[in-house]
Amino acid sequence: GAGVSQSPRYKVAKRGQDVALRCDPISGHVSLFWYQQALGQGPEFLTYFQNEAQLDKSGLPSDRFFAERPEGSVSTLKIQRTQQEDSAVYLCASSYSRQGAGELFFGEGSRLTVL
Amino acid sequence: GENVEQHPSTLSVQEGDSAVIKCTYSDSASNYFPWYKQELGKRPQLIIDIRSNVGEKKDQRIAVTLNKTAKHFSLHITETQPEDSAVYFCAASRNYGGSQGNLIFGKGTKLSVKP
Repeated sequence: GAGVSQSPRYKVAKRGQDVALRCDPISGHVSLFWYQQALGQGPEFLTYFQNEAQLDKSGLPSDRFFAERPEGSVSTLKIQRTQQEDSAVYLCASSYSRQGAGELFFGEGSRLTVL
Repeated sequence: GENVEQHPSTLSVQEGDSAVIKCTYSDSASNYFPWYKQELGKRPQLIIDIRSNVGEKKDQRIAVTLNKTAKHFSLHITETQPEDSAVYFCAASRNYGGSQGNLIFGKGTKLSVKP
């Protein structure tokens, strides 16, 4: 596709439910990042993939958060037993750069609201 | 790890005036400094970036300066226009050898340009 695609754009979950957020990066982009953006804040790093390898997951806030990119393209961020503090926009970004320090192309984000 | 501080958090200018946003970073190994613009409800988009081997970069009305010794970098927008109104984020990352460089973002500056 022309850009990074994320789905769903909006998700409302009841506290305790599991959610799965999908990211379809730009074709050929090696690096993929997940960020969490709370209202009025900057994006906070969650995790980074280089192809299918998850090279850095230091930003995942708890073991309820899990991300995968099994075939090195589409990625899924899963949040188990959602809590109210998980409410945020989850941004996915991809980059052609193998080193990860090139221009990041962001998706529109998935806005998660936990009631 | 890296920490990026950004100020001011809000900035209001008259159309045609200049706007300056400043950021400091903590990791002296950081060597890539992009600026992203995020309009309300939209994805962040790269507007300009600078690497540590240069001190200044300009693109039409936008310029970025970098002071490696002081570990700070600034965004300058001249002849501001109403369409420049948005939230601007600075970021920093490092990239060396085989190590990836995830971007660490500042908290953002909400720029309002009044007609």
